[in-house]
Amino acid sequence: AQSVTQLDSQVPVFEEAPVELRCNYSSSVSVYLFWYVQYPNQGLQLLLKYLSGSTLVESINGFEAEFNKSQTSFHLRKPSVHISDTAEYFCAVTSSNTGKLIFGQGTTLQVKP
Amino acid sequence: DVKVTQSSRYLVKRTGEKVFLECVQDMDHENMFWYRQDPGLGLRLIYFSYDVKMKEKGDIPEGYSVSREKKERFSLILESASTNQTSMYLCASSHAIVEQYFGPGTRLTVT
Repeated sequence: AQSVTQLDSQVPVFEEAPVELRCNYSSSVSVYLFWYVQYPNQGLQLLLKYLSGSTLVESINGFEAEFNKSQTSFHLRKPSVHISDTAEYFCAVTSSNTGKLIFGQGTTLQVKP
Repeated sequence: DVKVTQSSRYLVKRTGEKVFLECVQDMDHENMFWYRQDPGLGLRLIYFSYDVKMKEKGDIPEGYSVSREKKERFSLILESASTNQTSMYLCASSHAIVEQYFGPGTRLTVT
């Protein structure tokens, strides 16, 4: 069975500081990996995804994540955060066999001025 | 632009009531999903559907049922609402088996 673990439930950080949100997964088959973001009182929006090819993927608002197969990780990073990045972030995995998304518990990123 | 809509943003129901949550997508997606979101637990899959009139149980189907009579609409039904079903409910749709698009969510309170 697949599972996703987000190692931090809350990450407080000051504005313009770098941040890393950690995600580890377990799966016995090939996977597709996703990061979703949920702003207050909204649904989830796709931030970035890894399907195949380059293991480093980027979003349009400066986030990036690297697929590390040997460490079964897909950590999310941003070199300099803004107040507007305050949100909850979910890591998710699906396999080519099922199509069902398995979500981690979520990490709340709190950016302080 | 991709759009998934849910019938209500906030809903308050009494214990024992039958509750209908509606979800509509305008992208002609074949796959639709219902999740519930609870603090510290992330999103958990209740039911999903790969085609009209087709449904499959997710990880936590107990106490819920679904209906998909048309491709664009996927309904979640709580036959007899209970307080432990107080939660945020999120609908999603997708084409093929990858990226899912989410609605804004319905916050259901059962008293």
